[in-house]
Formats: sequence, structure tokens, C-alpha cells
Amino acid sequence: NAGVTQTPKFQVLKTGQSMTLQCAQDMNHNSMYWYRQDPGMGLRLIYYSASEGTTDKGEVPNGYNVSRLNKREFSLRLESAAPSQTSVYFCASSPTTSGEPNSYEQYFGPGTRLTVT
Amino acid sequence: DQQVKQNSPSLSVQEGRISILNCDYTNSMFDYFLWYKKYPAEGPTFLISISSIKDKNEDGRFTVFLNKSAKHLSLHIVPSQPGDSAVYFCAASPRGREKLTFGTGTRLTIIP
Repeated sequence: NAGVTQTPKFQVLKTGQSMTLQCAQDMNHNSMYWYRQDPGMGLRLIYYSASEGTTDKGEVPNGYNVSRLNKREFSLRLESAAPSQTSVYFCASSPTTSGEPNSYEQYFGPGTRLTVT
Repeated sequence: DQQVKQNSPSLSVQEGRISILNCDYTNSMFDYFLWYKKYPAEGPTFLISISSIKDKNEDGRFTVFLNKSAKHLSLHIVPSQPGDSAVYFCAASPRGREKLTFGTGTRLTIIP
């Protein structure tokens, strides 16, 4: 049981380049999330998917797109990278099964460290 | 507007003593609160949670207290151990519970 996996672990992009961050979970969770963590800012929600086939904006969605490919996979795309997108990106998932205790705790992947020059 | 605040960026505690980490929130719609622990180069891991119908929840050495009238929660770690050295994030969500709002974190250092 690998939990939440993210690829790549590290990436360096030039301004204007595009890339997709991949995330997969093997816990049969319904909901998946993308966060970014910046120094002194905590974790900020970029996008989330409450269930397969749905996506919604979080606190900082500008410059990003997402795809919930299936129940397991949730990708984050940067179409034209900017230095302001230099950050550590975390994917998370949660069971989110109504009525079940502890079903809203989120489980995080190890992160992708992205640098945009 | 920071809806979840952790006003202490860092805290040092002697091994064996109690560590108390604090968190304040401003949004009265929050009704579910969580603490996460994060080691360097790893993702956050869930530690303990509390819903607004309770004022205390315990799990081993970890206890979370919630004071709804003051919009304040705290995490107590007793006794503190060197492996507890990490960054601790407080998080909150409204009814529906899908979206978490995180605080900025407190770096806890346990001194042997």
C-alpha cells in the first residue's frame, strides 16, 4: 500500500515552460487535493476534486489547471510557468465518506519541489 | 486574511516536559479542527482531530483542546520526545469538511 505518490520529486523549469505534476493514491479515496507550501505561508489549497469527475478551485488557482483522470489520479498542470510558482507542491487525498468517523482526514504525498528560473 | 493563525513560528522544549502549541481561528463556520506534523522533505502526516461538539480529544501523548468561545485550540504533547521535533500545522474546515484551511506552522524543537 503506497498511499499517495507524486512524480517528479524535483523539477527545474524556465519561465514560460509547461509541465504536469502527477499524483496517484491507492486507498480508494473519493477526494483529492493539490496544495502549495511557501515559506511563512503554510499550505494553501490550489484545486480539489471532491469526487471523480468534479474539480473546484481553492484559494490560489490562478496559473494552474487540474484533471481528475480517474478515481486514483489527479494531475496539476502549469501551462506557462512563472517564478512566482516556485514552491513545494503537495497532493493529498481523503476518504470523505459521509457519516464515517475520521473520513475527512487528508493523507499527503511526499511533495514535488519546483523551481522556476 | 489569515483565518487560521499560529502566532509562534518556533518553540523549544526540554525532553520529557510538556509542549503546548497554540492556534487561533477567526471563521465561526469552522467546526472541525486537525493537527498535522511535518518532517523536512516529507509530506504532512495527520496527528489528531477534534470536532466542535467536543472540547478535548486525547490520543496517547497527544491531547487537543478546543475553546470555541475564544476561537482557540491547543495541542499538548506529554512527555515530549526528540522524535517530536517537527513543524506542526493546525488546520480547520467548515461543515461539509472537504476544504482545509491551514495555519502557517510552528517549528517545535525538543532539546535532549
